[in-house]
Amino acid sequence: GENVEQHPSTLSVQEGDSAVIKCTYSDSASNYFPWYKQELGKRPQLIIDIRSNVGEKKDQRIAVTLNKTAKHFSLHITETQPEDSAVYFCAASQEAGKSTFGDGTTLTVKP
Amino acid sequence: DAGVIQSPRHEVTEMGQEVTLRCKPISGHDYLFWYRQTMMRGLELLIYFNNNVPIDDSGMPEDRFSAKMPNASFSTLKIQPSEPRDSAVYFCASSYGRPNTEAFFGQGTRLTVV
Repeated sequence: GENVEQHPSTLSVQEGDSAVIKCTYSDSASNYFPWYKQELGKRPQLIIDIRSNVGEKKDQRIAVTLNKTAKHFSLHITETQPEDSAVYFCAASQEAGKSTFGDGTTLTVKP
Repeated sequence: DAGVIQSPRHEVTEMGQEVTLRCKPISGHDYLFWYRQTMMRGLELLIYFNNNVPIDDSGMPEDRFSAKMPNASFSTLKIQPSEPRDSAVYFCASSYGRPNTEAFFGQGTRLTVV
């Protein structure tokens, strides 16, 4: 089955700095890669996603890059703000619907 | 739309008891997913439905777990009998059109089995 590894498990940055979270996947059949943000005690919410026919996608301060050959994808957050503090999950999903999530990265943005 | 609605928000039960978690997906969504979240195992997909039909239940941990979707607006996840290791947050999510697209999560049910 699919295996998704996410690094780092914790990340602490100063407000205004950039944050990068990386994920690798194992199954080349995976073709959809969402990133979810989960604040403490809340539900996961999609912040950005990318499909395997695209190499990069950007939405304001958030960007995702995908390297299909190497089977890895990354989340980039620029100009971090304290409200970006949360747990971030990557996932790899196949057309058949099977989704596998990474273990999560706890991001702390220090004011 | 109010989003995906789950009930109850919290459930505390004794080992051996039956537990039923409920979910109302977003109206018009044709995919429904049940996830379990724990510190040890992270976020795991248990089962998902398409047009009320179970498509993949390979994530269901054991026979004590069962899920149903009698109609497009309601699904249940049942654990019988419950065990302490079932303690977790259970999320329901729904999506539209295809399974590998944005999933909208409910608030979750925090289950504690004592």
